[in-house]
This record gives sequence, structure tokens and C-alpha cells, in this order.
Amino acid sequence: SQQGEEDPQALSIQEGENATMNCSYKTSINNLQWYRQNSGRGLVHLILIRSNEREKHSGRLRVTLDTSKKSSSLLITASRAADTASYFCATSAAGGTSYGKLTFGQGTILTVHP
Amino acid sequence: EAQVTQNPRYLITVTGKKLTVTCSQNMNHEYMSWYRQDPGLGLRQIYYSMNVEVTDKGDVPEGYKVSRKEKRNFPLILESPSPNQTSLYFCASSLSKPAVNYEQYFGPGTRLTVT
Repeated sequence: SQQGEEDPQALSIQEGENATMNCSYKTSINNLQWYRQNSGRGLVHLILIRSNEREKHSGRLRVTLDTSKKSSSLLITASRAADTASYFCATSAAGGTSYGKLTFGQGTILTVHP
Repeated sequence: EAQVTQNPRYLITVTGKKLTVTCSQNMNHEYMSWYRQDPGLGLRQIYYSMNVEVTDKGDVPEGYKVSRKEKRNFPLILESPSPNQTSLYFCASSLSKPAVNYEQYFGPGTRLTVT
């Protein structure tokens, strides 16, 4: 089963609006990471939030983590057409033999219209 | 320039013909990993390597082999490819394992078609 699942699967907004994507996961984690992928290309790391952190900012990005609900959200403020991409959350599960694994969700496709 | 390179970028092959996809990084990273990306399934981890001569299975290792003889290289080997291995493959590397809070750097991807 998928460790990280994004919601919504697709999001369409106008330039200047905010975009919010959510990620849910099933097991305890060491950290949660967000990546962006432009069509058919490699993934680019956006932000990493550790399990003991609740919120993190990077430029126009804001990530929150709620470990009690096993969920995270990625907020992109004042979106631009160049933000059009797929966004993935990835989790590093805590404990056992999972320290080498990184599990990705299915992604949210964000389209920002000029 | 710090990067992860993969070759080939595109490959069409036939069932059963052994192939190797190479991956190389120039950042002296300890950790390397292979993923496959399929529509509706996101990225799934195939194999990963914590360091030279240390490899381990990810979530979908069946039908794949890897080796890590040098720190910079982590080739993915398909001994007998089948059509269900048609996919977009990504290699990634990071300074250390994901549990130690390090981001991963991804290669540009290899699109493999097995007929």
C-alpha cells in the first residue's frame, strides 16, 4: 500500500492564487519531503520537514506536518505559471530496517493558468 | 556541476535481451537509489545502496539487479526484461540515507520500452 498519498490528484488555479496540496501517510516517519517534477523530467527537492517540526517555510512554500494525523500540507503562495508541475510527497519511515527507504505518493498535478 | 547522470535516456528493447542502465553521480554521495515511475502509481523504489558494496531491496525489486562497486556508480541491470518493466526509471543520490534527513538528487530519467 502507498505510504504517502496526495490529495487532490489534480488542481487547477489562476496565477496569483494559492495552491494547497495534502499528503497522508500510514506509519511513523523520520521526515517528510516534497518534490516537484516538471513533465517527464527528474524530480527536484523542494523542502524537508523532520518529524519533530510542525511548520517550515522556503520562499513561497510553506509546509506543515501533523504527526498525530499523519498528514502534511504544501502551500504555494502567489502561484505562477512556472509552478505548473506534479508535486510528490515522500516519507522516510521510522524504525526497523526502513532507514534506507523513501516512499513516494502518487502526486498532485498542479496547473497554473496565466 | 553537481549532477546525477543516466544512460541511455531512451531505450527500446525486446523481451529477454539483457540490458544495463548506468547511473553516475559526482557529488561523493554515499546513498544511491533506483525508482520506477508508472502512471497512477507514483514512484516506487527498486533498490538502494547505503555505500560501496552495500545494497538492499526497495519495494519492487523483482526482475532487477544492482551493484555498487564504486561510490559514484550504481548501474541497474535487467537480466531478462519483460513488457511489465516498461517504465520511466530514475536514479537518485544523497549524502546519506533518507532517515538522516538528507534530500535526494535525481537524474533526468531513462524511458524504457520492452516489446
